[in-house]
Amino acid sequence: AQTVTQSQPEMSVQEAETVTLSCTYDTSESDYYLFWYKQPPSRQMILVIRQEAYKQQNATENRFSVNFQKAAKSFSLKISDSQLGDAAMYFCAYRSAVKDTGANSKLTFGKGITLSVRP
Amino acid sequence: AAGVIQSPRHLIKEKRETATLKCYPIPRHDTVYWYQQGPGQDPQFLISFYEKMQSDKGSIPDRFSAQQFSDYHSELNMSSLELGDSALYFCASSLVAYEQYFGPGTRLTVT
Repeated sequence: AQTVTQSQPEMSVQEAETVTLSCTYDTSESDYYLFWYKQPPSRQMILVIRQEAYKQQNATENRFSVNFQKAAKSFSLKISDSQLGDAAMYFCAYRSAVKDTGANSKLTFGKGITLSVRP
Repeated sequence: AAGVIQSPRHLIKEKRETATLKCYPIPRHDTVYWYQQGPGQDPQFLISFYEKMQSDKGSIPDRFSAQQFSDYHSELNMSSLELGDSALYFCASSLVAYEQYFGPGTRLTVT
């Protein structure tokens, strides 16, 4: 079974600064996908970014980028120019490659990290 | 853009009662997932459906059942409710090989 570990329960960043959230995972699979989801106080789960394991290039979405180290099984999220609206719980998630029956597509989440942004 | 719709948004039930949660996926999405998120916890996978057939099952209690209908909406039925069932229940949908989009959740409180 796959596991996802987020060892930092909380982090804080100054507005406009950069912060990196860490995530490691354990799997014996070679084909999989990794995600970061944001959960603000509204509790809505919002997809931030996605990374395919077969791609060497790190994914980027505006101020959000990842550092994907497949050999080290590490998947960190960097938030640049932090904004007050970035304050939320961030979950790292793993998904296996999907079988043609649709099986194997569930997400396995880490415990999450609470990010606070100081004005 | 259309999002995942869940109803009701809030539900209060007493112990041993039954609850039904509904999910309407994003149009043309072929897969529906149910997750349970307890207070201060990460979401835990319960069950999924691909093209109206159950495709995966997680840590779903035997007291819970779910199905996906011909119009692709899904319902999670929960019987003999316990205090520990109080949680936020998410439905998510996707095209099976792509990212999952979550609904706003149903907050279930069991008293």
